[in-house]
Amino acid sequence: DAGVTQSPTHLIKTRGQQVTLRCSPKSGHDTVSWYQQALGQGPQFIFQYYEEEERQRGNFPDRFSGHQFPNYSSELNVNALLLGDSALYLCASSLGTGGAVAFFGQGTRLTVV
Amino acid sequence: AQSVSQHNHHVILSEAASLELGCNYSYGGTVNLFWYVQYPGQHLQLLLKYFSGDPLVKGIKGFEAEFIKSKFSFNLRKPSVQWSDTAEYFCAVNPKAAGNKLTFGGGTRVLVKP
Repeated sequence: DAGVTQSPTHLIKTRGQQVTLRCSPKSGHDTVSWYQQALGQGPQFIFQYYEEEERQRGNFPDRFSGHQFPNYSSELNVNALLLGDSALYLCASSLGTGGAVAFFGQGTRLTVV
Repeated sequence: AQSVSQHNHHVILSEAASLELGCNYSYGGTVNLFWYVQYPGQHLQLLLKYFSGDPLVKGIKGFEAEFIKSKFSFNLRKPSVQWSDTAEYFCAVNPKAAGNKLTFGGGTRVLVKP
Protein backbone atom coordinates (compact mmCIF):
# COMPACT_ATOMS: atom_id res chain seq x y z
CA ASP A 1 0.00 0.00 0.00
CA ALA A 2 1.74 3.12 -1.25
CA GLY A 3 1.96 5.99 1.13
CA VAL A 4 2.00 9.64 0.16
CA THR A 5 4.61 10.33 -2.50
CA GLN A 6 5.99 13.71 -3.46
CA SER A 7 8.23 14.85 -6.27
CA PRO A 8 10.80 16.15 -6.65
CA THR A 9 12.60 15.63 -3.34
CA HIS A 10 14.84 18.66 -3.78
CA LEU A 11 14.64 21.71 -6.00
CA ILE A 12 16.69 24.87 -6.45
CA LYS A 13 15.06 27.85 -8.13
CA THR A 14 15.99 31.45 -8.77
CA ARG A 15 14.07 34.36 -7.27
CA GLY A 16 11.20 35.36 -9.57
CA GLN A 17 10.82 31.93 -11.15
CA GLN A 18 7.82 29.64 -10.88
CA VAL A 19 7.77 26.12 -9.42
CA THR A 20 5.40 23.15 -9.49
CA LEU A 21 5.45 20.46 -6.82
CA ARG A 22 3.57 17.17 -7.14
CA CYS A 23 1.83 14.83 -4.72
CA SER A 24 0.18 11.44 -5.00
CA PRO A 25 -2.05 10.63 -2.03
CA LYS A 26 -2.12 7.42 -0.07
CA SER A 27 -4.19 4.74 -1.75
CA GLY A 28 -7.87 5.22 -0.91
CA HIS A 29 -7.52 8.86 0.12
CA ASP A 30 -9.36 11.62 -1.72
CA THR A 31 -8.27 14.79 0.08
CA VAL A 32 -4.90 16.51 -0.26
CA SER A 33 -3.54 19.28 1.92
CA TRP A 34 -0.33 21.24 1.46
CA TYR A 35 1.86 22.62 4.24
CA GLN A 36 4.96 24.81 4.31
CA GLN A 37 7.59 24.03 6.94
CA ALA A 38 10.26 26.67 7.34
CA LEU A 39 13.49 25.69 9.05
CA GLY A 40 13.03 25.24 12.79
CA GLN A 41 9.25 25.72 12.67
CA GLY A 42 6.17 23.58 12.56
CA PRO A 43 4.26 23.03 9.32
CA GLN A 44 1.85 25.79 8.26
CA PHE A 45 -1.33 25.02 6.35
CA ILE A 46 -1.40 26.38 2.80
CA PHE A 47 -4.62 24.91 1.37
CA GLN A 48 -6.67 21.76 0.93
CA TYR A 49 -8.19 20.14 -2.14
CA TYR A 50 -11.20 17.87 -2.25
CA GLU A 51 -13.25 16.89 -5.28
CA GLU A 52 -10.85 18.93 -7.45
CA GLU A 53 -11.70 22.17 -5.65
CA GLU A 54 -9.84 24.27 -3.12
CA ARG A 55 -11.87 23.86 0.06
CA GLN A 56 -9.81 25.69 2.65
CA ARG A 57 -6.95 28.13 2.52
CA GLY A 58 -4.43 29.32 5.05
CA ASN A 59 -2.79 32.71 5.27
CA PHE A 60 -0.77 32.49 2.06
CA PRO A 61 -0.75 34.94 -0.87
CA ASP A 62 -2.29 34.24 -4.26
CA ARG A 63 1.16 33.39 -5.59
CA PHE A 64 0.44 29.99 -4.07
CA SER A 65 -2.07 28.03 -6.11
CA GLY A 66 -2.93 24.42 -6.61
CA HIS A 67 -4.82 21.83 -8.50
CA GLN A 68 -6.29 18.41 -7.87
CA PHE A 69 -6.75 15.89 -10.64
CA PRO A 70 -9.50 13.28 -11.06
CA ASN A 71 -7.15 10.59 -9.70
CA TYR A 72 -6.83 12.70 -6.49
CA SER A 73 -3.20 13.64 -7.11
CA SER A 74 -2.35 17.28 -6.62
CA GLU A 75 0.05 20.03 -7.64
CA LEU A 76 1.24 23.07 -5.74
CA ASN A 77 2.35 26.02 -7.84
CA VAL A 78 4.26 28.99 -6.55
CA ASN A 79 4.78 32.01 -8.80
CA ALA A 80 7.27 34.87 -8.52
CA LEU A 81 9.40 33.02 -6.01
CA LEU A 82 10.87 34.94 -3.10
CA LEU A 83 13.85 34.00 -0.97
CA GLY A 84 11.41 33.52 1.90
CA ASP A 85 9.64 30.75 0.03
CA SER A 86 12.60 28.48 0.76
CA ALA A 87 11.15 25.69 2.90
CA LEU A 88 10.10 22.07 3.06
CA TYR A 89 6.74 21.63 1.36
CA LEU A 90 4.68 18.80 2.76
CA CYS A 91 1.72 17.07 1.21
CA ALA A 92 -0.78 15.30 3.44
CA SER A 93 -3.62 13.06 2.35
CA SER A 94 -6.74 11.98 4.19
CA LEU A 95 -10.16 10.52 3.56
CA GLY A 96 -12.89 13.12 3.34
CA THR A 97 -12.86 16.54 4.94
CA GLY A 98 -14.30 15.75 8.36
CA GLY A 99 -11.22 15.81 10.53
CA ALA A 100 -9.70 12.52 9.45
CA VAL A 101 -6.13 11.56 10.23
CA ALA A 102 -3.61 13.04 7.80
CA PHE A 103 -0.74 11.00 6.37
CA PHE A 104 2.30 12.97 5.28
CA GLY A 105 4.79 12.57 2.46
CA GLN A 106 8.56 13.07 2.75
CA GLY A 107 8.28 16.58 1.40
CA THR A 108 9.98 18.64 -1.27
CA ARG A 109 12.88 20.82 -0.13
CA LEU A 110 12.70 24.06 -2.13
CA THR A 111 15.64 26.43 -2.08
CA VAL A 112 15.24 29.84 -3.69
CA VAL A 113 18.50 31.62 -4.54
CA ALA B 1 -7.23 32.16 14.79
CA GLN B 2 -6.13 29.14 16.75
CA SER B 3 -2.53 28.70 17.88
CA VAL B 4 -0.51 25.88 19.41
CA SER B 5 2.37 26.32 21.85
CA GLN B 6 4.98 23.73 22.65
CA HIS B 7 6.86 24.80 25.72
CA ASN B 8 10.23 23.21 25.08
CA HIS B 9 12.19 23.65 21.89
CA HIS B 10 14.92 21.20 22.83
CA VAL B 11 15.02 18.38 25.37
CA ILE B 12 18.04 16.24 26.17
CA LEU B 13 17.71 13.20 28.38
CA SER B 14 19.29 9.81 29.04
CA GLU B 15 17.87 6.43 28.17
CA ALA B 16 15.31 5.15 30.68
CA ALA B 17 14.42 8.69 31.78
CA SER B 18 10.81 9.79 31.65
CA LEU B 19 9.65 12.25 29.02
CA GLU B 20 6.89 14.81 29.14
CA LEU B 21 6.32 17.35 26.38
CA GLY B 22 3.88 20.17 26.90
CA CYS B 23 1.33 21.38 24.38
CA ASN B 24 -1.25 24.11 24.84
CA TYR B 25 -3.68 25.44 22.29
CA SER B 26 -5.94 28.42 21.99
CA TYR B 27 -9.34 27.63 20.57
CA GLY B 28 -12.66 27.78 22.32
CA GLY B 29 -14.52 25.11 20.40
CA THR B 30 -14.32 21.35 20.10
CA VAL B 31 -11.04 20.02 18.76
CA ASN B 32 -9.27 16.93 17.54
CA LEU B 33 -5.73 16.67 18.90
CA PHE B 34 -2.65 14.95 17.50
CA TRP B 35 0.96 14.27 18.22
CA TYR B 36 3.17 13.62 15.21
CA VAL B 37 6.78 12.49 15.30
CA GLN B 38 9.51 13.02 12.73
CA TYR B 39 12.49 10.67 13.08
CA PRO B 40 15.73 11.82 11.43
CA GLY B 41 15.40 11.59 7.66
CA GLN B 42 11.83 10.35 7.77
CA HIS B 43 8.40 11.81 7.15
CA LEU B 44 5.95 12.99 9.78
CA GLN B 45 4.19 10.02 11.36
CA LEU B 46 1.16 9.92 13.63
CA LEU B 47 2.05 9.04 17.20
CA LEU B 48 -1.43 9.30 18.70
CA LYS B 49 -4.70 11.14 18.41
CA TYR B 50 -7.65 12.27 20.48
CA PHE B 51 -11.07 12.71 18.93
CA SER B 52 -13.43 12.12 21.87
CA GLY B 53 -14.00 9.88 24.87
CA ASP B 54 -11.32 8.87 27.36
CA PRO B 55 -8.98 11.87 27.69
CA LEU B 56 -6.01 9.57 28.26
CA VAL B 57 -4.98 8.17 24.91
CA LYS B 58 -2.31 5.62 24.13
CA GLY B 59 -0.26 5.67 20.98
CA ILE B 60 2.50 3.71 19.37
CA LYS B 61 5.87 2.90 20.95
CA GLY B 62 4.66 3.33 24.52
CA PHE B 63 3.63 6.98 24.21
CA GLU B 64 0.49 8.39 25.81
CA ALA B 65 -1.11 11.80 26.04
CA GLU B 66 -3.69 13.36 28.29
CA PHE B 67 -6.27 15.89 27.15
CA ILE B 68 -7.17 18.37 29.88
CA LYS B 69 -9.97 20.46 28.44
CA SER B 70 -9.97 23.04 31.25
CA LYS B 71 -6.30 23.75 30.64
CA PHE B 72 -6.45 23.54 26.82
CA SER B 73 -3.55 21.10 27.07
CA PHE B 74 -2.56 17.84 25.43
CA ASN B 75 0.75 16.77 26.98
CA LEU B 76 2.73 13.83 25.67
CA ARG B 77 4.40 11.34 28.01
CA LYS B 78 6.59 8.27 27.92
CA PRO B 79 7.71 6.61 31.17
CA SER B 80 11.05 5.34 29.88
CA VAL B 81 12.65 6.61 26.68
CA GLN B 82 15.01 4.78 24.37
CA TRP B 83 17.77 6.07 22.11
CA SER B 84 15.43 5.39 19.17
CA ASP B 85 13.00 8.03 20.49
CA THR B 86 15.40 10.72 19.30
CA ALA B 87 13.21 12.76 16.99
CA GLU B 88 11.23 15.97 16.61
CA TYR B 89 7.75 15.92 18.10
CA PHE B 90 4.89 18.11 16.89
CA CYS B 91 1.57 18.78 18.57
CA ALA B 92 -1.30 19.64 16.20
CA VAL B 93 -4.85 20.84 16.66
CA ASN B 94 -7.79 20.43 14.31
CA PRO B 95 -10.93 22.35 15.25
CA LYS B 96 -13.85 20.10 14.40
CA ALA B 97 -15.41 22.98 12.48
CA ALA B 98 -12.30 23.39 10.33
CA GLY B 99 -12.39 20.23 8.24
CA ASN B 100 -8.97 18.61 8.06
CA LYS B 101 -6.91 21.74 8.63
CA LEU B 102 -4.13 21.15 11.17
CA THR B 103 -2.46 23.90 13.17
CA PHE B 104 0.95 22.76 14.39
CA GLY B 105 3.11 23.85 17.26
CA GLY B 106 6.72 24.77 16.65
CA GLY B 107 8.00 21.32 17.54
CA THR B 108 10.27 19.93 20.25
CA ARG B 109 13.58 18.30 19.36
CA VAL B 110 14.27 15.40 21.70
CA LEU B 111 17.75 13.91 21.98
CA VAL B 112 18.09 10.70 23.96
CA LYS B 113 21.64 9.91 25.00
CA PRO B 114 22.52 6.20 25.04
